[in-house]
Amino acid sequence: DGGITQSPKYLFRKEGQNVTLSCEQNLNHDAMYWYRQDPGQGLRLIYYSQIVNDFQKGDIAEGYSVSREKKESFPLTVTSAQKNPTAFYLCASIGRLASGNEQFFGPGTRLTVL
Amino acid sequence: GQQVMQIPQYQHVQEGEDFTTYCNSSTTLSNIQWYKQRPGGHPVFLIQLVKSGEVKKQKRLTFQFGEAKKNSSLHITATQTTDVGTYFCAGQVYAGGTSYGKLTFGQGTILTVHP
Repeated sequence: DGGITQSPKYLFRKEGQNVTLSCEQNLNHDAMYWYRQDPGQGLRLIYYSQIVNDFQKGDIAEGYSVSREKKESFPLTVTSAQKNPTAFYLCASIGRLASGNEQFFGPGTRLTVL
Repeated sequence: GQQVMQIPQYQHVQEGEDFTTYCNSSTTLSNIQWYKQRPGGHPVFLIQLVKSGEVKKQKRLTFQFGEAKKNSSLHITATQTTDVGTYFCAGQVYAGGTSYGKLTFGQGTILTVHP
């Protein structure tokens, strides 16, 4: 089945630790995105990548880092510099414009900082 | 930067009543998309509107894109308990060339349907 996988589903970390969230897609999509969702709020863009080895900051990139070494993978690292990291993190991908630009979302990772 | 405002934040209806959520963008959009997120789930694409004044229907759902391509609405006729969830609009401005650009999401409208 084609789709986007995120792991783990729930993640707990101690304050001051870095943690990396996984995002993998087998849809052959070029662009991938990371969003953060807080309770009762919309999705805020953290980082996005249009092609391999290239990525851009979104609206709330401070305290986060990403890499895009492979088309299928776009891991997000939440660093200790992120002041309020507890949130629901969603990864998404999008295909070529000719086929429409619907974003497909992964199931999300719920991060809790203790 | 680009902002997308969505109202209302919450809507409680009795089953069978209609529901509408509205989006307004601070800038002219290339397209607007609508997503639904069930409680505990992830957003799922519903539809994309591209043309000025466009109206699309999906069964009981009607989507409109304003003439100026800065506002949009989603209307649900005769709500059912299966309609429960958060509805998001997301506006996109093409960056040009082969760039996909980014979506700017509204805050979402949380719909509760009482049986």
